[in-house]
Amino acid sequence: SQQGEEDPQALSIQEGENATMNCSYKTSINNLQWYRQNSGRGLVHLILIRSNEREKHSGRLRVTLDTSKKSSSLLITASRAADTASYFCATDWRGSQGNLIFGKGTKLSVKP
Amino acid sequence: ETGVTQTPRHLVMGMTNKKSLKCEQHLGHNAMYWYKQSAKKPLELMFVYNFKEQTENNSVPSRFSPECPNSSHLFLHLHTLQPEDSALYLCASSQGTGVHEQYFGPGTRLTVT
Repeated sequence: SQQGEEDPQALSIQEGENATMNCSYKTSINNLQWYRQNSGRGLVHLILIRSNEREKHSGRLRVTLDTSKKSSSLLITASRAADTASYFCATDWRGSQGNLIFGKGTKLSVKP
Repeated sequence: ETGVTQTPRHLVMGMTNKKSLKCEQHLGHNAMYWYKQSAKKPLELMFVYNFKEQTENNSVPSRFSPECPNSSHLFLHLHTLQPEDSALYLCASSQGTGVHEQYFGPGTRLTVT
């Protein structure tokens, strides 16, 4: 399947530390997106990186994309308790007509 | 708030009931989506509508019937569901299909008894 696979499945850190989550996928993509989901709620879009981009920043978020390795990483710097959530990568793979395929997510817990 | 609302937020229904989920977006988007989120499984795309036309049916059983009367509203009609259909049903919208971010509603937590 094309779905992204996040790694690790769960991550627990202290407030102020950095959190890194990884995503791998299987086929060529147009873009890759990261979303956050607080428990039992809808997803919130964080950042979109296109296949011809290698790195993108948004506030405390940094996303990298390595199309040769078919992988992406999401770095959250100086984490806060409010960052506690599940994080998903979603790929818009070529031929999908823009439909997103989501991974299972990384559950991040930031302890105060 | 993302500009996408869903009602009801919680629904309990028996296997013989008929119910409907409603989604409304206030963003002027042209594409709307239904997703199913079950425990320990990736988010599953169910249906896609673009300019009110269905463009994707991801092999969804016929007991789920979508309806898109206009670009702002999307319904999911439910009938004779199974307990394994219990899940969080999420609606999303985007400016169009293709390279666009999606805006999600808060979801409807469905329990089938």
